[in-house]
Amino acid sequence: DVKVTQSSRYLVKRTGEKVFLECVQDMDHENMFWYRQDPGLGLRLIYFSYDVKMKEKGDIPEGYSVSREKKERFSLILESASTNQTSMYLCASSALFYSGRGTQYFGPGTRLLVL
Amino acid sequence: KNEVEQSPQNLTAQEGEFITINCSYSVGISALHWLQQHPGGGIVSLFMLSSGKKKHGRLIATINIQEKHSSLHITASHPRDSAVYICAARPLIQGAQKLVFGQGTRLTINP
Repeated sequence: DVKVTQSSRYLVKRTGEKVFLECVQDMDHENMFWYRQDPGLGLRLIYFSYDVKMKEKGDIPEGYSVSREKKERFSLILESASTNQTSMYLCASSALFYSGRGTQYFGPGTRLLVL
Repeated sequence: KNEVEQSPQNLTAQEGEFITINCSYSVGISALHWLQQHPGGGIVSLFMLSSGKKKHGRLIATINIQEKHSSLHITASHPRDSAVYICAARPLIQGAQKLVFGQGTRLTINP
């Protein structure tokens, strides 16, 4: 079974703190994604990576950065957390689509509260 | 206007009813995904399809490329089918690896 794990299920941080969210997948997938999910807004892509050290901005990258130093690990960084970054954060991975195996596999999510 | 629209946004039905959730998209796509999210749970991929129909158990997904429309059907619905169902389109752009998501349909099946 494909496994995508996230470092925390729940996280409480203070405004201005630096926050690291980690995601690890065990399927040797090329693609990894970070989304946030908010009521009424659905899933929105923050960043994705299609290879080690490669990244591409999604729809809402402001206030976030990412790091992919190893193929299995994709980190989301909030440089200075703000209350409007309180949300559910979901990581996903997939094989490259043109391989015909583009199904995305999601982690359990991290619910982040910024006070 | 969203590129991917789902209807209805909320659906409540009785156990045993036949359920249909619709997804329309305005962009050219190479594939359409249906995902399921249970309350408090992660997201599970149900189907990825680019033409025709796929079936898995009581779930059936269909797509009409010409009409830019897909449907997810649940036969003999059960309370455990209660979840948010999300449609996501993969745009037909060379090298596109991203998905465009619909807002989701919250399904509640009452016993």
